[in-house]
Order: sequence, then C-alpha cells, then structure tokens
Amino acid sequence: GAVVSQHPSWVICKSGTSVKIECRSLDFQATTMFWYRQFPKQSLMLMATSNEGSKATYEQGVEKDKFLINHASLTLSTLTVTSAHPEDSSFYICSARDRDNYGYTFGSGTRLTVV
Amino acid sequence: AQTVTQSQPEMSVQEAETVTLSCTYDTSENNYYLFWYKQPPSRQMILVIRQEAYKQQNATENRFSVNFQKAAKSFSLKISDSQLGDTAMYFCAFMMPITGTASKLTFGTGTRLQVTL
Repeated sequence: GAVVSQHPSWVICKSGTSVKIECRSLDFQATTMFWYRQFPKQSLMLMATSNEGSKATYEQGVEKDKFLINHASLTLSTLTVTSAHPEDSSFYICSARDRDNYGYTFGSGTRLTVV
Repeated sequence: AQTVTQSQPEMSVQEAETVTLSCTYDTSENNYYLFWYKQPPSRQMILVIRQEAYKQQNATENRFSVNFQKAAKSFSLKISDSQLGDTAMYFCAFMMPITGTASKLTFGTGTRLQVTL
C-alpha cells in the first residue's frame, strides 16, 4: 500500500533555531500533501496544503513566515519551523492522498520540543 | 463550511464485546466521503473504513462496520469482537471531493476508546 515516510520522528531544539521536517511519499507521487498540528489529546488541526511546484495554501491563523512549506518534487514536502519558540512544541503530521484515491496516508509524525 | 461532531470523548468496552462510536456532520453538499481513522498510542493515523455518500450500502471491513444515515447526517462506527489492539483514539472525518485536486479532510474531535479485559 501507499507509504508516507516522515522524519525526524522526534526533535529537540533550542529557542530561536529552525527545524526542518520532511515528508516523502515512497511508492507514489503526491501532488498534494497536507500538514497538520496536533496538541495532546486533541484532534488534528490542518495547517496548510502543500502543492508541488506552487506556493502552499495556509489555513487561517497559521503564520506562513513561521511555518515554511516547500514541495519541490512529487515525492517530497518539507515543513520548516523558523525561529522556534516553546509554544511551537507540538506533534506535526503530514499526509498525502493515496494513489488509488481510496483515502489519505499519513506519516508517522514528528514530536517537536523547543527548549 | 463542513463540521464534524463526535459527542463521546471517551468510551470503554470489554474485550470481545461490541461498541459503537457516534459521529454527526453538517454539510449542504450531496457528494462527499466519510472516514474513520484510528490513532493508537504510537500516534500513527490508520484508515479504518471509508464511505461514499452516494452509496446506500453501509461499508464494512472485517470487524468494523458503519451505520451511514445520510438524511440524518450520521456516520457511526461499530466495532465487533473488540480486541485489546483496538484501544486508540478514533477520528471521524469528512471530505468533499473537488475535481482536479486533493481535497482536505475535516476531522472531529475524536473518541478515546479503551478496550479492557
């Protein structure tokens, strides 16, 4: 089946630094990927929709300058958290539409801790 | 805008028993898809089952089945013969297809299911 690889699975960084999270579709081409943020015991909140070769579409309230998304190829999308602060600590998940259009495949998530 | 409501924050069921998780949604559209996703402690999101709105027949996947009531905008998940491995957070999700693009999912707030011995 369709597989989406996300890494790192966890990262700790210092305040003020930037962190890049990668999301790769391993056996299919994903023209669109989605980035979510999930707080403990809460639902997934869509941050942005990443489209290959074009600018990402951000949801209302999401700072595009803080959460930089790049989707340079059909198999790779990246989320960079710039100038990270402790309040950016969260679980970030990416997903892509399955090639057979059955559903959405999710990455395994990245736990970001900013200290 | 579409909304998805899961009114049961937590539920518990004994092993081998049956449990039903509820989900309601609000939309003015006629063509859409509904999903149930499972998120175990590993936090990996796993697709459990999918239902196309144009299909009257309820979807089933082994021990998992849905009761899709389109007029009532209800989409409940029934888990039969519950197993310890079913312990997870369950999210109901809605998707309205848009031609030529991948549409986003709208998630409910989730139901935490605990399967006990």
